[in-house]
Amino acid sequence: GENVEQHPSTLSVQEGDSAVIKCTYSDSASNYFPWYKQELGKRPQLIIDIRSNVGEKKDQRIAVTLNKTAKHFSLHITETQPEDSAVYFCAAMGNQGGKLIFGQGTELSVKP
Amino acid sequence: GAVVSQHPSWVICKSGTSVKIECRSLDFQATTMFWYRQFPKQSLMLMATSNEGSKATYEQGVEKDKFLINHASLTLSTLTVTSAHPEDSSFYICSAPPGFGGLDEQFFGPGTRLTVL
Repeated sequence: GENVEQHPSTLSVQEGDSAVIKCTYSDSASNYFPWYKQELGKRPQLIIDIRSNVGEKKDQRIAVTLNKTAKHFSLHITETQPEDSAVYFCAAMGNQGGKLIFGQGTELSVKP
Repeated sequence: GAVVSQHPSWVICKSGTSVKIECRSLDFQATTMFWYRQFPKQSLMLMATSNEGSKATYEQGVEKDKFLINHASLTLSTLTVTSAHPEDSSFYICSAPPGFGGLDEQFFGPGTRLTVL
């Protein structure tokens, strides 16, 4: 089955700096890669996603890149703000009926 | 956007009792729903796929006789934790793909915090 590895597990940046989180997946059939932000005790919130027919997608300060050959995708947050502090999860979905497999999570801390 | 609700939002029970958690799609029909479990400071782990009108599909290592799933209608899936023990204490989250717009996107319920004493 699919396996998703996420790094780093913790990331601390200064306000205004960029943050990059990386994920790799194992199943070459996976074709949908969402990123979620989760605050303590809350549900995951979709912040951006990318499908396998696209190499890059950007939404304001957030961008995601996908390298299908290498089977890895990355989240880029620019001009970080304290309110970006949260746990971020990557995930991958293959062609097995919509199952999402999550990475281990990255705890992002943005220091003012 | 699509809305998924869960009930209860939190529950405390005694060891050995059973607890039922409901997941509802409020403004769309969901033939498939997913159940996840999340321990503190860990990731979401897929437990099972709930299929309307048929048996659930469980992930490897998840006991189907302990985590009973029923998907009796197109808007409701229930997860029953039978004979709960302290190690079952966790955050349980359901999700459902609405099937319109972005077909892949899933909408998550707010989660249920289960504490077994």
